[in-house]
Amino acid sequence: DGGITQSPKYLFRKEGQNVTLSCEQNLNHDAMYWYRQDPGQGLRLIYYSQIVNDFQKGDIAEGYSVSREKKESFPLTVTSAQKNPTAFYLCASSTDGQKPYEQYFGPGTRLTVT
Amino acid sequence: GENVEQHPSTLSVQEGDSAVIKCTYSDSASNYFPWYKQELGKGPQLIIDIRSNVGEKKDQRIAVTLNKTAKHFSLHITETQPEDSAVYFCAATPYNNNDMRFGAGTRLTVKP
Repeated sequence: DGGITQSPKYLFRKEGQNVTLSCEQNLNHDAMYWYRQDPGQGLRLIYYSQIVNDFQKGDIAEGYSVSREKKESFPLTVTSAQKNPTAFYLCASSTDGQKPYEQYFGPGTRLTVT
Repeated sequence: GENVEQHPSTLSVQEGDSAVIKCTYSDSASNYFPWYKQELGKGPQLIIDIRSNVGEKKDQRIAVTLNKTAKHFSLHITETQPEDSAVYFCAATPYNNNDMRFGAGTRLTVKP
């Protein structure tokens, strides 16, 4: 059963703590993406990776970090430097980061920081 | 960079009626326009997409039209059903997925 998995579905953290969100895909896709979704807003790109061991900042990368050590995995760390971390986080992947192909999305992780 | 505006933000229709959601974009270099459906608590799912070399694409009850001159594209859902109720997002990208910009979303409610 191919697809993208994100875990956990809900995550609660105290302010000042770093937290890592998991994203795994078994679609053999080269490119992976992290988006943030806030109520009433479109998806905003945090980071993307076109290939293993390479990643680029999106529009709102400040306060976030990523790694891409394996093709299947693209974890996102929300650091204490992120001023408004409470949001719904979506991971996506696509066949080729160089061409406008369909992006497949995971089910998302809702992060609440208090 | 690309800027995508989507209207309306909410739309309520009676079951069986049609629904139309419109998006405008700013970058004339955009050449790929997907539409995503997001159900509550889930990730978006692609329902239809169109590339700049065609003006219209249809898939059963769903169609998308593109007007490159006016820089707008629309989603049309005919014979709406309650299971069509969801948030719909349009997007546009000029060169590659890395620059994909999303509209703010339209919450569609289909009343039985």
